[in-house]
Amino acid sequence: GAGVSQTPSNKVTEKGKYVELRCDPISGHTALYWYRQSLGQGPEFLIYFQGTGAADDSGLPNDRFFAVRPEGSVSTLKIQRTERGDSAVYLCASSWTGTTGELFFGEGSRLTVL
Amino acid sequence: DAKTTQPNSMESNEEEPVHLPCNHSTISGTDYIHWYRQLPSQGPEYVIHGLTSNVNNRMASLAIAEDRKSSTLILHRATLRDAAVYYCILRANAGGTSYGKLTFGQGTILTVHP
Repeated sequence: GAGVSQTPSNKVTEKGKYVELRCDPISGHTALYWYRQSLGQGPEFLIYFQGTGAADDSGLPNDRFFAVRPEGSVSTLKIQRTERGDSAVYLCASSWTGTTGELFFGEGSRLTVL
Repeated sequence: DAKTTQPNSMESNEEEPVHLPCNHSTISGTDYIHWYRQLPSQGPEYVIHGLTSNVNNRMASLAIAEDRKSSTLILHRATLRDAAVYYCILRANAGGTSYGKLTFGQGTILTVHP
């Protein structure tokens, strides 16, 4: 398909483990966003990439969270020493530019930390 | 980020028009008004956006008050597939730390009755 692809769709892990979530944006989109969404809440901004660089990482909650986009396409969100409070749906979105135009969202990766 | 205020929930009957209000009294001159919706178990989906003039597309219409302190998303004939959470978002179009990203609020849960 031509949409934003996120893997895995579901991830169950134990407290303290390391997790990686992958986002494959729409081809040619220069901007990539990560959000997380807890049950009953709106999506919460985490980080935004313009090309390979993080243009705004103000939403990352602490230093256990890190994201990379080394070639300006695929991005990986990395969570170290997971905690139960990290359980949420992690959403990725991409757009042609980071300033205007619509964001296209993936279906999300549901993370459950036991 | 400038904030928006939306009703927590609204109800409609199928094939009737729906008017979803949004207040944004602290909007700045360069903020665009964006609407996204989120169907159950899916990522958010772009609906429409505008700056000053009313906007129409195949999904909906956006009516923007003359002073831009409020706006209304109009679904001309609601269907069961329109049942979703609707988010009204202000997106900065120039400068500042919020440049580019979308900040979601709680949104309005729209229920459509057959």
